[in-house]
Amino acid sequence: GAGVSQSPRYKVAKRGQDVALRCDPISGHVSLFWYQQALGQGPEFLTYFQNEAQLDKSGLPSDRFFAERPEGSVSTLKIQRTQQEDSAVYLCASSFQGVREKLFFGSGTQLSVL
Amino acid sequence: KQEVTQIPAALSVPEGENLVLNCSFTDSAIYNLQWFRQDPGKGLTSLLLIQSSQREQTSGRLNASLDKSSGRSTLYIAASQPGDSATYLCAVRIGWGNTPLVFGKGTRLSVIA
Repeated sequence: GAGVSQSPRYKVAKRGQDVALRCDPISGHVSLFWYQQALGQGPEFLTYFQNEAQLDKSGLPSDRFFAERPEGSVSTLKIQRTQQEDSAVYLCASSFQGVREKLFFGSGTQLSVL
Repeated sequence: KQEVTQIPAALSVPEGENLVLNCSFTDSAIYNLQWFRQDPGKGLTSLLLIQSSQREQTSGRLNASLDKSSGRSTLYIAASQPGDSATYLCAVRIGWGNTPLVFGKGTRLSVIA
């Protein structure tokens, strides 16, 4: 596609519900990152994929957070038993390959947990 | 642990003014540094990417400089326009692998017509 696409754009969940956030990276992009951005803060790293391999998940805040990219393209970030502190914008980014390249970000999914 | 600080947190300037946004980082062992723009409710748009071996990058009215030894970068915006109003984020990539970016909290810029 023309850019990184994320859905849904907004998600409201009741505390305790499970949610799934989708990221469709730019076609052919090997690297995919998930970031969490709280209000008034910079994005914070959650996890990174190279193709289908999850190479770094050190930023996931708890075992309630799970991410997958089974075919090396679309990725899903799942949050189980959501808590109010999970409320944030979840950003997905992709790049073709390599550390020397720019990251392209999606518009994010704004998650509100009530 | 790498920390990125951006000063000021917010800035308001009249249209046409030249301005400088500042970014500092605690560990000079960075691979590259990127400046991003974020509009309200939107994702991030990459503006400039400076590799660790470079000292500056230019794109149109934007110029970014990098001084690794002092742990600083500046983003210079010439002849500011109302359309430049946004939050500007600085991010460094640490290490030599495909490591994640570490972001500052951003500078919220308002250009007044």
